[in-house]
Amino acid sequence: DSGVTQTPKHLITATGQRVTLRCSPRSGDLSVYWYQQSLDQGLQFLIQYYNGEERAKGNILERFSAQQFPDLHSELNLSSLELGDSALYFCASSVGAAYNEQFFGPGTRLTVL
Amino acid sequence: KNQVEQSPQSLIILEGKNCTLQCNYTVSPFSNLRWYKQDTGRGPVSLTIMTFSENTKSNGRYTATLDADTKQSSLHITASQLSDSASYICVVSRSNNDMRFGAGTRLTVKP
Repeated sequence: DSGVTQTPKHLITATGQRVTLRCSPRSGDLSVYWYQQSLDQGLQFLIQYYNGEERAKGNILERFSAQQFPDLHSELNLSSLELGDSALYFCASSVGAAYNEQFFGPGTRLTVL
Repeated sequence: KNQVEQSPQSLIILEGKNCTLQCNYTVSPFSNLRWYKQDTGRGPVSLTIMTFSENTKSNGRYTATLDADTKQSSLHITASQLSDSASYICVVSRSNNDMRFGAGTRLTVKP
């Protein structure tokens, strides 16, 4: 158990819908990272927040957005969902903003029908 | 440019044997290189993190090497165990914390 929690564990929805994934980092960690992992793409970095501020941006689509709240939990919002958005979404946390070990949560499996 | 390539794509070895996984990258400017182990359907677990000045790092039976001049890294697994069966992912970060992921090597350890 990494100490990072993600909810929900599974999510099934339809195309065009909007969903919110939630992540609680390890106690004391200030950075939260979001990743997408699909079968044909491997792991892809989406976005990082550090102490409430956006720190780094990866391959995040404009339909996706994220935020980190004052209590340091984070949410990833996915809208206008497409079939290709079906994937595992991982959240990770670390103590600092860079060059720190990242601890991954168990993931949320999103299925878009 | 800014790519990470891992080889082999998959590997099958017998329990107790050693193996070496390769990671070549063109990512620039380089900040650090990480190796992760990922069991199927679970989140990756960090094995090692290396910066430019480090050329070897160990974590139990896992030893990572880094040659920043040739932009190559390897992960050596000693005395493999059945629990080592997993995907091993190489991640190279640029200086702005932009992370580039390799496709991974799928290792299967057979009894």
